[in-house]
Amino acid sequence: DSGVVQSPRHIIKEKGGRSVLTCIPISGHSNVVWYQQTLGKELKFLIQHYEKVERDKGFLPSRFSVQQFDDYHSEMNMSALELEDSAMYFCASSLRGGNSDYTFGSGTRLLVI
Amino acid sequence: SQWGEENLQALSIQEGEDVTMNCSYKTYTTVVQWYRQKSGKGPAQLILIRSNEREKRSGRLRATLDTSSQSSSLSITGTLATDTAVYFCATDAGTGGYKVVFGSGTRLLVSP
Repeated sequence: DSGVVQSPRHIIKEKGGRSVLTCIPISGHSNVVWYQQTLGKELKFLIQHYEKVERDKGFLPSRFSVQQFDDYHSEMNMSALELEDSAMYFCASSLRGGNSDYTFGSGTRLLVI
Repeated sequence: SQWGEENLQALSIQEGEDVTMNCSYKTYTTVVQWYRQKSGKGPAQLILIRSNEREKRSGRLRATLDTSSQSSSLSITGTLATDTAVYFCATDAGTGGYKVVFGSGTRLLVSP
């Protein structure tokens, strides 16, 4: 698959639990951004990493942390999950910061029960 | 908020009709992008128009940008049922392309 790959596609967790979402950007893309989308509404900007450095943070809860690794893949660690964390989580990548040609992954659907 | 009084939330048209969606933004941006999101999929970029461009075309799509009024439009000519999706405009909120900030979107339903 030459696109942005997200895993898992679907996940169900209990309230208070933990989860890890993974994003593999397009080869060579070092800019990775995460978004949250609830009920098909607008995409909320969560956080951006470029060249393994956090560049901007938006609505990312303090219970979540995101890291970008040497191969530019990104992981979102989610803890103390709350019911309102139930949403689609998308990541997108672009070649470099300042390049707006983003490609989105297919998303991870998280359901907290 | 980054956004002005937004485009219509939902549009329902017949296949073959033309449609225009609008958005207005409040913060300077170097680019405006239009995305389409089909059910169960991630957004896909349709058109990127830079602040020094007034119009950009791609197939049946035409985007315009008016930086003086900070507004943009996306037109689709000869719509198809497969154009049914949510359409978002997005800006970089003055970051020079480092992130994409999405508007609330317009839900377009094209009936065969």
